[in-house]
Amino acid sequence: DAGVIQSPRHEVTEMGQEVTLRCKPISGHNSLFWYRQTMMRGLELLIYFNNNVPIDDSGMPEDRFSAKMPNASFSTLKIQPSEPRDSAVYFCASSSGLRTGELFFGEGSRLTVL
Amino acid sequence: AQRVTQPEKLLSVFKGAPVELKCNYSYSGSPELFWYVQYSRQRLQLLLRHISRESIKGFTADLNKGETSFHLKKPFAQEEDSAMYYCALRTQGGSEKLVFGKGMKLTVNP
Repeated sequence: DAGVIQSPRHEVTEMGQEVTLRCKPISGHNSLFWYRQTMMRGLELLIYFNNNVPIDDSGMPEDRFSAKMPNASFSTLKIQPSEPRDSAVYFCASSSGLRTGELFFGEGSRLTVL
Repeated sequence: AQRVTQPEKLLSVFKGAPVELKCNYSYSGSPELFWYVQYSRQRLQLLLRHISRESIKGFTADLNKGETSFHLKKPFAQEEDSAMYYCALRTQGGSEKLVFGKGMKLTVNP
């Protein structure tokens, strides 16, 4: 298994543009998480899905951010319009739902908004 | 609200020295605590969990509910231990989500 797959690995865009980040969780995992990593705030949970349903989106910064999980093998995180303060590394992670506490992380998508 | 605090951002030691990475948490219930590690150019991964009471790569961590701490310790650091370390908390109930601290960078010098 290739693990959690994220794309793109790097994205550079200009302020005001739409950004879409993609994630493919590990097959069979039923929980999916989007985290944002910055120097100032560390790892922040943005949203998490269980069985494709959003369970907790309290970490989504504002209406410019949206996330979807149309099926068990795909999720997107969209930022529209993007702002320079959105620059960060965005991680997707999945877990088996067996409450082991083990999240499997992707390699991250590094976003730079100019 | 749940919160995880890692008071130090950086720690630099020499090979063979003991290390202690501090972690404090805030949660009114009974938490589950974890340490995650991210080595250079690798994915963030689970290092150990308090309920397992295990030693991984020579690291141990004991949950101290009185002090609300879960410090990570290793008696003799190795160069390959250099990495970012994150302490994480999961609350009771059915939630799978983890709340992470801000992380700490450990550098072990030769």
